[in-house]
Amino acid sequence: AQSVTQPDIHITVSEGASLELRCNYSYGATPYLFWYVQSPGQGLQLLLKYFSGDTLVQGIKGFEAEFKRSQSSFNLRKPSVHWSDAAEYFCAVGAGQAGTALIFGKGTTLSVSS
Amino acid sequence: GAVVSQHPSWVICKSGTSVKIECRSLDFQATTMFWYRQFPKQSLMLMATSNEGSKATYEQGVEKDKFLINHASLTLSTLTVTSAHPEDSSFYICSARAGTEYGYTFGSGTRLTVV
Repeated sequence: AQSVTQPDIHITVSEGASLELRCNYSYGATPYLFWYVQSPGQGLQLLLKYFSGDTLVQGIKGFEAEFKRSQSSFNLRKPSVHWSDAAEYFCAVGAGQAGTALIFGKGTTLSVSS
Repeated sequence: GAVVSQHPSWVICKSGTSVKIECRSLDFQATTMFWYRQFPKQSLMLMATSNEGSKATYEQGVEKDKFLINHASLTLSTLTVTSAHPEDSSFYICSARAGTEYGYTFGSGTRLTVV
């Protein structure tokens, strides 16, 4: 069965420090991978996505993610965290077939300390 | 870019009444729409998948008679929560996809509170 695992429920990072949020997936077909961010009471904002090609993907707000097929991972990174990055982050997996829904991980809450 | 409009943003209703949530794709034709539910501090759980002109496919554990989904056109899908109860209070989000487009576009969500 398809699944997404985000091992870290809550991470606290100092402002200016680097960040890595982990994501592992289990998917039978070629996965399409996404990272979304959600602020409290708000909808989802797409940070970046991977379909094919270069395994290092650049997104908005200075985020990047690397697809590692051998490890079934799609970890999100940012070299220097800002206080405004504090939010909930979701990794999701989908497929190329039009009728396939995104499956979400449980999310990681990012807190940023000053 | 692709835009999905979801209304209302928030709604408060009395227990036992029904509430309809609309999801519209504004600049593309959404052959498939998805409805998710999110409880506080939890992830998004897929409720159902709907294709234009056909019956929705519900995930296991989702009551299809309680959560009525209609996808009557390529730009509109509706979710009706019938005989709402306080336990139905949640954040509901729709997502749309256009045919073989790889992207998923999300609505801004609807906060439902049943009192």
